[in-house]
Amino acid sequence: TQLLEQSPQFLSIQEGENLTVYCNSSSVFSSLQWYRQEPGEGPVLLVTVVTGGEVKKLKRLTFQFGDARKDSSLHITAAQPGDTGLYLCAGVTGTASKLTFGTGTRLQVTL
Amino acid sequence: GAGVSQSPSNKVTEKGKDVELRCDPISGHTALYWYRQSLGQGLEFLIYFQGNSAPDKSGLPSDRFSAERTGGSVSTLTIQRTQQEDSAVYLCASRYRGDTQYFGPGTRLTVL
Repeated sequence: TQLLEQSPQFLSIQEGENLTVYCNSSSVFSSLQWYRQEPGEGPVLLVTVVTGGEVKKLKRLTFQFGDARKDSSLHITAAQPGDTGLYLCAGVTGTASKLTFGTGTRLQVTL
Repeated sequence: GAGVSQSPSNKVTEKGKDVELRCDPISGHTALYWYRQSLGQGLEFLIYFQGNSAPDKSGLPSDRFSAERTGGSVSTLTIQRTQQEDSAVYLCASRYRGDTQYFGPGTRLTVL
């Protein structure tokens, strides 16, 4: 059962455009993570958000955790071709830090 | 090595055969996870090892799937009597402290 829904599923934009990816859940998680995965590689952690309402910035990427800790968003400003990849949100639960992954958003940035 | 390694990188097998997938975690990482990534199901948790504790097998889809971790380091995921629906990328991750898991490149399994 997939508990985390991401939207959009696919996104193709031109270099310089802005975009937002959404991650929505019916469950509350202790924290939420965002990963980027490139072909032939495993996911790489971008950020962890813990507190409801938290906003974190990583260069051109801005991550927000919803007040109720059920949803999150990733905003990319002035996208670059190097941002191309599969973006995954993941809810973290328990002391084992088990991850429940979202459905994924595949981003393509063209020149 | 510096990161998590997995072998083989690709595995093609025939339906009904058994396969073994290997994961070498980052040295010193006490937690090890197996995930499966497929087009239909996305990325899903399979099993979790933490030190000498009993593994959390709650994500294994059937009793054809098993995993072991020897000496608290290398782990092997075994799939018996493979089925076509087992075709997927199998990812391993390890963790030391906090919530950060480090993923390997995965093994792409194709069952013909």
